[in-house]
Amino acid sequence: GAVVSQHPSWVICKSGTSVKIECRSLDFQATTMFWYRQFPKQSLMLMATSNEGSKATYEQGVEKDKFLINHASLTLSTLTVTSAHPEDSSFYICSARAGTSGTDTQYFGPGTRLTVL
Amino acid sequence: QKEVEQNSGPLSVPEGAIASLNCTYSDRGSQSFFWYRQYSGKSPELIMSIYSNGDKEDGRLTAQLNKASQYVSLLIRDSQPSDSATYLCAVDFGNEKLTFGTGTRLTIIP
Repeated sequence: GAVVSQHPSWVICKSGTSVKIECRSLDFQATTMFWYRQFPKQSLMLMATSNEGSKATYEQGVEKDKFLINHASLTLSTLTVTSAHPEDSSFYICSARAGTSGTDTQYFGPGTRLTVL
Repeated sequence: QKEVEQNSGPLSVPEGAIASLNCTYSDRGSQSFFWYRQYSGKSPELIMSIYSNGDKEDGRLTAQLNKASQYVSLLIRDSQPSDSATYLCAVDFGNEKLTFGTGTRLTIIP
């Protein structure tokens, strides 16, 4: 149980285009979903937290107009990287949590590797 | 500032030996602690959670928590080459999200 999927698993795009990444909880309802970014040999950096039906909460330094997050249902959240540039190339990972407490387990998706040319 | 610190390694351990991974955190009021394993190019996988002082055992893994000293550790007994990965310590500082350490890269030497 507790499977989280992401699509696509990798994407290459041209600078200036937008890319949408989907995160789905397959066998549970995710009240909260998180989006992380990880650069090579670095740890996970939380970008934003989203609760179903409400606006995402972005971490300091993350541009909310560039990284659009939609959590329209209890099983789906999307991250759209708008006007992507080479410096946005990274490994984007979502996680999903059934509850709202920090003691509830976060289950991670397999990640999406974005390369912007 | 809420911080989680880990020795980045690399930590090399002979096959069959015990690997010991350590993590310290900045807030004594923290309640939830997690260990994730991340293979190269993959996303993190939860391998252990601990909430109370003391030891928690699961197979070859033992997590140890000492809230007074603000550290949490992970022991891997009978280390196998498949245990070679980066181990991430994560703490919930009561703000309902996880703060991750930078991870310790572990290599098991056959």
